[in-house]
Amino acid sequence: QKEVEQDPGPLSVPEGAIVSLNCTYSNSAFQYFMWYRQYSRKGPELLMYTYSSGNKEDGRFTAQVDKSSKYISLFIRDSQPSDSATYLCATGEAAGNKLTFGGGTRVLVKP
Amino acid sequence: DAGVTQSPTHLIKTRGQQVTLRCSPKSGHDTVSWYQQALGQGPQFIFQYYEEEERQRGNFPDRFSGHQFPNYSSELNVNALLLGDSALYLCASSGGLIETQYFGPGTRLLVL
Repeated sequence: QKEVEQDPGPLSVPEGAIVSLNCTYSNSAFQYFMWYRQYSRKGPELLMYTYSSGNKEDGRFTAQVDKSSKYISLFIRDSQPSDSATYLCATGEAAGNKLTFGGGTRVLVKP
Repeated sequence: DAGVTQSPTHLIKTRGQQVTLRCSPKSGHDTVSWYQQALGQGPQFIFQYYEEEERQRGNFPDRFSGHQFPNYSSELNVNALLLGDSALYLCASSGGLIETQYFGPGTRLLVL
């Protein structure tokens, strides 16, 4: 079993819809949680990071962490075609330590 | 403010050859981590360098080695290339152990 599990998708939504992404993890030592966006053939771009349970909002993005369930989520409101990409969740014991990634979820936002 | 840069962008090698990939961290960052990302998968941690020493290492064979220079830039070396080494190699930098990692654009390696 992988330490971080993520549904590969693809997830297809109409423009303006809410995109809901999630990951589960198994290692209780993970304390730091990140979401990266990766366009085709590019490097991952940091979207959100948090180290506590609860919600964190940044513009159209909301990250949610439930450490008791080992479950992390990312919500994208008012989705745009430019949001079409692969979204990677990542966890670590500390921010600068090695990151363990999920396999990524492909998202397609249709105009 | 320049972000993380990597060179070359693409590389084609044959089995058994050796390759060196290069990374310059984001300004102000002193820690460099390397990841391998196979097609359709998430990145996998190779190793991390801090103060010119390897701090952490993932589950990769000794064919994978690295170096960090006094200016914090880093190299990843892979010897005796295998077909399975074909992947996107990503460098990430951070300001030590408490800062989030930022990724470069990657080097795409194809082994024939």
